[in-house]
Amino acid sequence: SQKIEQNSEALNIQEGKTATLTCNYTNYSPAYLQWYRQDPGRGPVFLLLIRENEKEKRKERLKVTFDTTLKQSLFHITASQPADSATYLCALFTGGGNKLTFGTGTQLKVEL
Amino acid sequence: NAGVTQTPKFQVLKTGQSMTLQCAQDMNHNSMYWYRQDPGMGLRLIYYSASEGTTDKGEVPNGYNVSRLNKREFSLRLESAAPSQTSVYFCASSGGQGDSSNQPQHFGDGTRLSIL
Repeated sequence: SQKIEQNSEALNIQEGKTATLTCNYTNYSPAYLQWYRQDPGRGPVFLLLIRENEKEKRKERLKVTFDTTLKQSLFHITASQPADSATYLCALFTGGGNKLTFGTGTQLKVEL
Repeated sequence: NAGVTQTPKFQVLKTGQSMTLQCAQDMNHNSMYWYRQDPGMGLRLIYYSASEGTTDKGEVPNGYNVSRLNKREFSLRLESAAPSQTSVYFCASSGGQGDSSNQPQHFGDGTRLSIL
């Protein structure tokens, strides 16, 4: 069966460190993958998109990698800040009308 | 721009009651989506509309119906609510059309629905 896995346990890191979140998938061959941020009581907000022919994508303090051989994407936040505390969702394009399938998300807590 | 607007924000229903959740977007997007989000399950697609005039089932369509009223509006209807439909419902939209669009999705802030 198709599956997208993100760490269900919260990730706690210290301010200024780099946070690394993992998204693993099986039985998919997505043409692209997206990362979203979700704050409590709010809808997800788009952060980055990476295509299958791209190894890495950057936006300010964010970096995403996409390894189609390992079937894995890594999401990095450098110089993390308490304002980065949120749940981060990965989503895979699964065809037909720009449909996405979402992982369950990883909660990040950045402490002072 | 308001983006994606969902109404109502909260609702409590009794089992067997019907209800329509409303969604409107002002970004001139072609595609619109309805998801539900449950603890430990993530976002699951209920129905989507790739363009005005078309709708298709997602992963969990049973117990729901949708209407793409026009390009801006996409409503979700529960005909006979059940406790298993207690959830947070999100509407989203994206630009472009077809498989090659690879556009981000823009979400509303959700409707929190409880069914007793």
